[in-house]
Amino acid sequence: QKEVEQNSGPLSVPEGAIASLNCTYSDRGSQSFFWYRQYSGKSPELIMSIYSNGDKEDGRFTAQLNKASQYVSLLIRDSQPSDSATYLCAVKPPTDKLIFGTGTRLQVFP
Amino acid sequence: SAVISQKPSRDICQRGTSLTIQCQVDSQVTMMFWYRQQPGQSLTLIATANQGSEATYESGFVIDKFPISRPNLTFSTLTVSNMSPEDSSIYLCSVVVGQSDSNQPQHFGDGTRLSIL
Repeated sequence: QKEVEQNSGPLSVPEGAIASLNCTYSDRGSQSFFWYRQYSGKSPELIMSIYSNGDKEDGRFTAQLNKASQYVSLLIRDSQPSDSATYLCAVKPPTDKLIFGTGTRLQVFP
Repeated sequence: SAVISQKPSRDICQRGTSLTIQCQVDSQVTMMFWYRQQPGQSLTLIATANQGSEATYESGFVIDKFPISRPNLTFSTLTVSNMSPEDSSIYLCSVVVGQSDSNQPQHFGDGTRLSIL
């Protein structure tokens, strides 16, 4: 069974710190990886896509992909209370639908 | 990315009734999907809405319970039929914009929060 696994959290970090969110996946042939942010009561919002091994940076966000180890991570630098949300990892296997993890709840405290 | 309008945004319905949820996109999209998100849970794919043909349903979801239409490349509806309290959930429309490359990200509408009494 193809799976995407995340620690449900909550992950609590102080304001200004780096938040590190991790995700592992089971289908080694997966090619596309996405991070979504979901505020309570809202729909998921795409914040990062990554397709190649290595790092991809966008503002305070950095996605990291390691296909050999089958994990993808999201780093949030200078964390703000407004970053408090659930972060969903999604993985696209080559011949299957997009699979979502259960999400990690991030809490950034002042 | 496209602007995805979903309505109603929320509703409270009686047991045994049906509700149709609409998803309108401001541009033509290659793929449209319907998801369910139960309280405290992640997203579960209900079906892929196919333009001009029957939707493709995931295991555990059937057309009689969740009929879906997609008459064109910008619009789809999901009906939740004969509702029971177990159908209380958030229903989300998502789309893939641009070329038909299935590795493109999905973008979500605001969702419909449905409560069944």
